[in-house]
Amino acid sequence: DAMVIQNPRYQVTQFGKPVTLSCSQTLNHNVMYWYQQKSSQAPKLLFHYYDKDFNNEADTPDNFQSRRPNTSFCFLDIRSPGLGDAAMYLCATSVRTGVPGELFFGEGSRLTVL
Amino acid sequence: GNSVTQMEGPVTLSEEAFLTINCTYTATGYPSLFWYVQYPGEGLQLLLKATKADDKGSNKGFEATYRKETTSFHLEKGSVQVSDSAVYFCALRVNFGNEKLTFGTGTRLTIIP
Repeated sequence: DAMVIQNPRYQVTQFGKPVTLSCSQTLNHNVMYWYQQKSSQAPKLLFHYYDKDFNNEADTPDNFQSRRPNTSFCFLDIRSPGLGDAAMYLCATSVRTGVPGELFFGEGSRLTVL
Repeated sequence: GNSVTQMEGPVTLSEEAFLTINCTYTATGYPSLFWYVQYPGEGLQLLLKATKADDKGSNKGFEATYRKETTSFHLEKGSVQVSDSAVYFCALRVNFGNEKLTFGTGTRLTIIP
């Protein structure tokens, strides 16, 4: 059974029209992440939550926002999508322990901007 | 800082060939090391991991050994299949308190029958 679920899998929007992508998890992990992955590139971390503590990467544009209303859900809001925001958006979770463990990824949400 | 250097792709091999994808790292602290695989249009799946020096991670015929002395974590498979065609990412995560996963650039592998 899928443990990190992203919706929608495919999202088409118009230039400047706000978009929200969602992520839910059944793992009860305390850390949740949003990554942006453009074609043929490695994933790039946008931000992450440790519980409710929000951590923004220094180079994440203000156009990207996130919400985590509870342990299970996390949302990525793109306020005014530009053509350069077309990408795969990956949600991931992990648990903070003494030994650094793996991240668990969802299937991704592919965003197309027209 | 932390970084991962991964063998440039793309790599094309014939079915049943031996595979090596090189990965080296630099890290502050004592990292855990990972190989992730990404099939077309999908998210990342953990392929294998190692959390301390000399550990060998293995899964689906793939292996990688955590070599602290050479700061390496090379991925190997003795006989590749067409179904192994994917993009492979080497990654690290350092000690407690740093949540980030640092990725290499990825290596696209294509296996031809």
